[in-house]
Parts: sequence; structure tokens; C-alpha cells
Amino acid sequence: ETAVFQTPNYHVTQVGNEVSFNCKQTLGHDTMYWYKQDSKKLLKIMFSYNNKQLIVNETVPRRFSPQSSDKAHLNLRIKSVEPEDSAVYLCASSWGQNTGQLYFGEGSKLTVL
Amino acid sequence: GQQVQQSPASLVLQEGENAELQCNFSSTATQLQWFYQSPGGSLVSLLSNPSGTKHTGRLTSTTVTKERRSSLHISSSQTTDSGTYLCAMNRGSALGRLHFGAGTQLIVIP
Repeated sequence: ETAVFQTPNYHVTQVGNEVSFNCKQTLGHDTMYWYKQDSKKLLKIMFSYNNKQLIVNETVPRRFSPQSSDKAHLNLRIKSVEPEDSAVYLCASSWGQNTGQLYFGEGSKLTVL
Repeated sequence: GQQVQQSPASLVLQEGENAELQCNFSSTATQLQWFYQSPGGSLVSLLSNPSGTKHTGRLTSTTVTKERRSSLHISSSQTTDSGTYLCAMNRGSALGRLHFGAGTQLIVIP
């Protein structure tokens, strides 16, 4: 049963445009994450938020910015997309930062032409 | 940095056969988790096993911390087991710092 919801699931755009991905979790978790999965299926952490505070920022380009209105929402905005931004972006949540299970959304596939 | 190597890269099995997936990592793991990613892309956590042996259903994970390796055994494979199995580890405790391997793609044919 899906409890981490991502929209949109697919987005095709051109270089230089702005894109936003939304993520909402209904599990009552206090920590949310954004991961990038490239064409080789490699998953890398981009951002992590705990109770609306940024706790991890893994040297992603400045055109990426996370936005959190409350602990149930973590959006990802990409200003001026580049071809190398084409990937699947996965949102996840957990209860606590250090233990437990990660729950993932279905993913948002971005194609930059 | 922390490296996670998974083998084999892909595996094709006949339904009913057993699968053995390997994960090797470059530093001592405090956290070691196995995930399943369906062909459609959704990703679920299967097991958390930083050391020892853990069972759930038809899955058995064995992690030998000192040797920096973990395995995932799938018994009596089913066509619905097809997908990608990802291993992730962390030297520390933060879930946000899990390092993922590239995965093993499993195909189970009827």
C-alpha cells in the first residue's frame, strides 16, 4: 500500500526550464529524503529533512533546492534543468534519522531534451 | 568513500530455483539493508541485517561484518520475484547516508 506519494510520475522538458516534484507522506514520519537514480540504477542521496530542518545535502548542484512546508511534505525544485538531470527522483521517509525502515514513493522520471 | 559492489549484475532463474545475491562493501557497516525495486520502479525495504543471519519468508540474509560482505538468499523463486535487488550500507547510523550498490537484476522465468 503506497503511503509516500510523488507527483508528477513523469515529466519531459527542455534544457533551461524549471521543474518541481512534489512528495507527501501519510505515515506520520519525521524524516524525508530525496534520492536520484541514474540510468545505471545507482541511487544517491540528495537531501534529507528532519522536522523541516535540512540535515544532509550531498553536494548537489545549486539549481536543485528542497522545499518543506511541514514534516509530511518535501518538494524538489530544479531551476534551469540540464541534460544530466535526466533520471528518476525518488522520495522516501522514515521515523527517525538513524533507525528503522525507509519507505519510498513510486518515483518521478525526468527527461531533459 | 564507501563503496558497495553487488554480484552478479544479473541472474536468470527457472521458477522454483534458489537465488544467491552477494554484496561486498569497502568499510565496516553499521547499517546494512536489502531493498527490492520492481520492474515498474517502486522500491521497498526487505531486510535490515548489519550482522548475523536474518530470515523473512523465503528470504535469508547473512552478513559477515568482519569480512564486509552480505548475501541474500531467495528460496523457491517465483516469477513475481523478478526485479532489482539493491544492497545499501552505512558506516554510521544515519539512514540518509546509506550508500547503495548498483543492484542485481533477477529474472525468474516460468
